[in-house]
Amino acid sequence: DGGITQSPKYLFRKEGQNVTLSCEQNLNHDAMYWYRQDPGQGLRLIYYSQIVNDFQKGDIAEGYSVSREKKESFPLTVTSAQKNPTAFYLCASSPPGQRLNTGELFFGEGSRLTVL
Amino acid sequence: DAKTTQPPSMDCAEGRAANLPCNHSTISGNEYVYWYRQIHSQGPQYIIHGLKNNETNEMASLIITEDRKSSTLILPHATLRDTAVYYCIVRDWGNTPLVFGKGTRLSVIA
Repeated sequence: DGGITQSPKYLFRKEGQNVTLSCEQNLNHDAMYWYRQDPGQGLRLIYYSQIVNDFQKGDIAEGYSVSREKKESFPLTVTSAQKNPTAFYLCASSPPGQRLNTGELFFGEGSRLTVL
Repeated sequence: DAKTTQPPSMDCAEGRAANLPCNHSTISGNEYVYWYRQIHSQGPQYIIHGLKNNETNEMASLIITEDRKSSTLILPHATLRDTAVYYCIVRDWGNTPLVFGKGTRLSVIA
């Protein structure tokens, strides 16, 4: 079945360690996004990519890095420079902005990162 | 910042219609109104979107005022499984990232 797969679902990390969250999609979507969600808050945009080998910073990119070497994959690295990394991370993708598409975002099930 | 304003929470009796309001007074001519919902600890789910005409699908109806400065999402017969946070978002067509506010927490009560 087509969809977005995020892994791991739960992750624990010690302070000072980098960690990479995986996001894979088989929907043939061009655009992919990473959001962060803190308890009781809405989603905040970290990074997004509209095409392979290109990506842009979102509102809270500091302390994070991404790559987009393949259309299907958009991994997010949470670096030790991120001061408060404990959060719920959501990956999404969307098809090209064409009239035949709704322009909707398809989300994965999320990865919950806890820093000990 | 989000371009929309929503009440933080609402209650609805099971089986009744849930009407969720959204203000977007600064919406521009090429921006659509999107609605998503997020059930606890899951990724948001697309519900519906519209430009200026009212829209209906199997999940909900979207009513947009003639001046497009506000809209209402209607769940015609709310069930307990509709308990979620509902986000109203405006954005232009294409792959512009969605900007999420805090949404409305809808509680459907038996």
